[in-house]
Amino acid sequence: DVKVTQSSRYLVKRTGEKVFLECVQDMDHENMFWYRQDPGLGLRLIYFSYDVKMKEKGDIPEGYSVSREKKERFSLILESASTNQTSMYLCASSFRRGQGYTFGSGTRLTVV
Amino acid sequence: GEDVEQSLFLSVREGDSSVINCTYTDSSSTYLYWYKQEPGAGLQLLTYIFSNMDMKQDQRLTVLLNKKDKHLSLRIADTQTGDSAIYFCADFSGGYQKVTFGTGTKLQVIP
Repeated sequence: DVKVTQSSRYLVKRTGEKVFLECVQDMDHENMFWYRQDPGLGLRLIYFSYDVKMKEKGDIPEGYSVSREKKERFSLILESASTNQTSMYLCASSFRRGQGYTFGSGTRLTVV
Repeated sequence: GEDVEQSLFLSVREGDSSVINCTYTDSSSTYLYWYKQEPGAGLQLLTYIFSNMDMKQDQRLTVLLNKKDKHLSLRIADTQTGDSAIYFCADFSGGYQKVTFGTGTKLQVIP
């Protein structure tokens, strides 16, 4: 089975801190995605990557950046955490565009 | 832009059938998906349907697609308490080359 692993289940950070959320997949998937999930808003796409070193902005990229130095790892960076970035963050990967995604278990981030 | 809409909540009794509905706006959708999210977990792909199909059945799950009305439904037969979860509809747009998720329907199964 494809596995997508997010390094932390729960994180608490202070306002202004730089935060790294790590995601690793083990099935050689080309495509990787970062979403945030908020009640009543569903999943919103932050950034995605269709190849190593490649990144594209999703629907809500403001306040975030990403890094994909290796195919299996896609990191989400909060440059200066703010309380409105408190959310559940979900990483996903897929082999081909249009193919269903495999999701990680999520990281619940609280910014205080 | 494209939009995917679902009702927020559905409550059914154990043993009954559940029907979760979804509407989408993108006429170039090529794949449509149903995902399940259990409490505290990520999303799990349940099933998907190609846009040139009307129906797909997989054990207790039946997916119906009305492409003319841009309406997708997921029927769960003999609903069990373990089916309690949030169900997300999503579509892949051939035009935009991206997946759009609905807001999710929380299914509550009453014993």
